[in-house]
Amino acid sequence: QVQLVQSGAEVKKPGASVKVSCKASGYKFISYYMYWVRQAPGQGLEWVGIINPIDGSTSYAQKFQGRVTMTRDTSTSIMYMEVSSLRSEDTAVYYCARGIVVAGRKYPDYWGQGTLVTVSS
Amino acid sequence: DIQMTQSPSSLSASVGDLVTITCRASQYISNYLVWFQQKPGKAPKSLIYAASSLQSGVPSKFSGSGSGTDFTLTISSLQPEDFATYYCQQYYIYPMTFGQGTRLEIK
Repeated sequence: QVQLVQSGAEVKKPGASVKVSCKASGYKFISYYMYWVRQAPGQGLEWVGIINPIDGSTSYAQKFQGRVTMTRDTSTSIMYMEVSSLRSEDTAVYYCARGIVVAGRKYPDYWGQGTLVTVSS
Repeated sequence: DIQMTQSPSSLSASVGDLVTITCRASQYISNYLVWFQQKPGKAPKSLIYAASSLQSGVPSKFSGSGSGTDFTLTISSLQPEDFATYYCQQYYIYPMTFGQGTRLEIK
């Protein structure tokens, strides 16, 4: 069965970086994109970006441009998302979600369990 | 960016009721819309994709309709496990955007 298992909770100081991982299993890794979505405490869902597992190409939401880097390791079926220059507003649960292509567009079908990133001095 | 507006923001209903949630896009998105259910402390769960296609394993009490800019999610015969927050999301163009959510509560 499809599983996306994310790394554990992190506590970081403002200005630091965090790298969250998402290990995929139960499907062919390079056949599906990976979404990253975040959710601040008590708030709604926010799209961070998406990565193509074949060539590593990415598309990021404009507000994260320059601070977010998504990468993948096809040998271990792990996706990574790094956020730099953290500020308190980045405190959120970060989710990875598999992007399945249907009719030429990709929507998220399976989700990881989420990783809480807390930014606090 | 495409704005997704859900209504209502919250909704009270009783077990056994039928409820409808609407989602409006600020511009044309064809049928590239997905609906999610999220329970407190849990990851979202995909229910409907392509506006009206049921995700594998999701019960048929959930149904979706619409195209262009206006969409609806209908849940029939509400059960206690259906009380949650529901989100729509467009995946027509980047950046992909979400509605603000509709919180479905027990009356």
